[in-house]
Amino acid sequence: AQRVTQPEKLLSVFKGAPVELKCNYSYSGSPELFWYVQYSRQRLQLLLRHISRESIKGFTADLNKGETSFHLKKPFAQEEDSAMYYCALRGPGNQFYFGTGTSLTVIP
Amino acid sequence: DTEVTQTPKHLVMGMTNKKSLKCEQHMGHRAMYWYKQKAKKPPELMFVYSYEKLSINESVPSRFSPECPNSSLLNLHLHALQPEDSALYLCASSQDSGGYQPQHFGDGTRLSIL
Repeated sequence: AQRVTQPEKLLSVFKGAPVELKCNYSYSGSPELFWYVQYSRQRLQLLLRHISRESIKGFTADLNKGETSFHLKKPFAQEEDSAMYYCALRGPGNQFYFGTGTSLTVIP
Repeated sequence: DTEVTQTPKHLVMGMTNKKSLKCEQHMGHRAMYWYKQKAKKPPELMFVYSYEKLSINESVPSRFSPECPNSSLLNLHLHALQPEDSALYLCASSQDSGGYQPQHFGDGTRLSIL
């Protein structure tokens, strides 16, 4: 069965510190993985998808098939990064499976 | 146009009312979705439409009735809702084919059942 796990419900880091939001998945095929972000009172929006291997707002995420992980990383956290982050997996039939989310707080 | 537009933004209704939520996109996406989101929780999938046909119904109660009149519009008809149905209802769309296409979300309709 397809599943996405985000083990940390809450994460707090100081401004300028590195941050890593964990995501593990289980999927029998070749996974399509995404990170979405939801800022306070804003719509859920795409942050990254693994295929593009790009850096958005300083965030990167690497797919590790051996560890079935897709962790989100940023070397220097900023206050504006405070938000809810969801890892998502696209399965067959256009189903998207969301993790339970990690609420990131960056302390000034 | 790269947006998904949802109306209304807020809706308050009684348990005996009938109302509809509307969603529109003009990105040429052929997959459209309804999600329910409670505070501080991830979106819960309700329905998926592919090429205007209902492809997934996640065992949603019949008091929620989706409709896809054309490739750009998605409605959610509400009737005899319960207080526990109060939530943010999100619409999303995506390309139907693979190629790592993400979902695009609307702002949602915040629904309160009295």
